[in-house]
Amino acid sequence: GAGVSQTPSNKVTEKGKYVELRCDPISGHTALYWYRQSLGQGPEFLIYFQGTGAADDSGLPNDRFFAVRPEGSVSTLKIQRTERGDSAVYLCASARGENTEAFFGQGTRLTVV
Amino acid sequence: SQKIEQNSEALNIQEGKTATLTCNYTNYSPAYLQWYRQDPGRGPVFLLLIRENEKEKRKERLKVTFDTTLKQSLFHITASQPADSATYLCALADSNYQLIWGAGTKLIIKP
Repeated sequence: GAGVSQTPSNKVTEKGKYVELRCDPISGHTALYWYRQSLGQGPEFLIYFQGTGAADDSGLPNDRFFAVRPEGSVSTLKIQRTERGDSAVYLCASARGENTEAFFGQGTRLTVV
Repeated sequence: SQKIEQNSEALNIQEGKTATLTCNYTNYSPAYLQWYRQDPGRGPVFLLLIRENEKEKRKERLKVTFDTTLKQSLFHITASQPADSATYLCALADSNYQLIWGAGTKLIIKP
């Protein structure tokens, strides 16, 4: 596709459940970022992939959060044992390389009830 | 700790006037700074990047300045239009070149 695609656009889950959020980056973009954004706040960095490897995962809040990008394209953010505090919009962005313009998807709104 | 500040209150501007948004930072020596626009329910959209050795950057009706002494960037929209109404975010590259974001300023252009 022409832009970054994230699915689902909305996800409601019960506390304690496992969720997966998917990101399809722009074709050919080697850099991929995950952020989360709460209402009235700027995006908060979670993890950065360069190709298949996680180059920087320092933003993951705890070990319930994990992300993969096995073939250097699609990425999945996985959250185990969800908590109400995980509720936010999860944004994915891709870029041609490091330090270049990032293109964002529309986000996945996660609500943990 | 590192901190980025943008005006938290909405900025109301009359159509046709210049809108100026401020981004201040502390405890940083960023390699570059970016400005993004975000509409409700959408992801941020890149507007401009300015590097530490650049004082000013322009793109159509947009102008960004970067003062590393004052630790401040100003974002200007000239001849503002109602369609410019959105939240504008600034983001700085940290020492690992990861973007650290401000909370954004909501801009409202009144016809």
